[in-house]
Amino acid sequence: AQKITQTQPGMFVQEKEAVTLDCTYDTSDPSYGLFWYKQPSSGEMIFLIYQGSYDQQNATEGRYSLNFQKARKSANLVISASQLGDSAMYFCAMREVRSNDYKLSFGAGTTVTVRA
Amino acid sequence: NAGVTQTPKFQVLKTGQSMTLQCAQDMNHNSMYWYRQDPGMGLRLIYYSASEGTTDKGEVPNGYNVSRLNKREFSLRLESAAPSQTSVYFCASSDWGDNEQFFGPGTRLTVL
Repeated sequence: AQKITQTQPGMFVQEKEAVTLDCTYDTSDPSYGLFWYKQPSSGEMIFLIYQGSYDQQNATEGRYSLNFQKARKSANLVISASQLGDSAMYFCAMREVRSNDYKLSFGAGTTVTVRA
Repeated sequence: NAGVTQTPKFQVLKTGQSMTLQCAQDMNHNSMYWYRQDPGMGLRLIYYSASEGTTDKGEVPNGYNVSRLNKREFSLRLESAAPSQTSVYFCASSDWGDNEQFFGPGTRLTVL
């Protein structure tokens, strides 16, 4: 079964506007972590933000924030004030702690194109 | 700190050839991972090593073998390459409890 679902293959956003990237997950593990990575056209994987399942507050890192809705099993990434350099592929990933091996399960990704 | 390094960056093989992808990390991490990324898809785990001396299969292990040579190095071997193994391969490492998994720059492999 798919553990991470990203339903938006591609999105366009105007420069300086905010964009929300959807991510839903499936796990029965009460302890887990959710990650977002950015992959620009150059190909490297850049870590953006992390949310633990027991964290009380939504994670934020600069212009990135994670809208964590535990009951809905949703961990959407919000990028505020989009910049041209935000054009990239974005991946949501989950780590289930019970397996004790810290491996990640990735979604299929969402391509974001920022328009000037 | 170099972080996670991978060699080679690019490789072209013919069907049936073998090769080893090298990965090293200088962050003293216990866990290391090999993923593959196919066009339009997320990363899929091939093999991982939760700690030095252990290796385990991931989601797509068929056609691959791994060696955790020491704490720093984790290699991925293709014994008899097939066109279906054309992909970008990423090595990653992390430590227990880390809130980030660190990735290498990737190896782009083409099997003709």
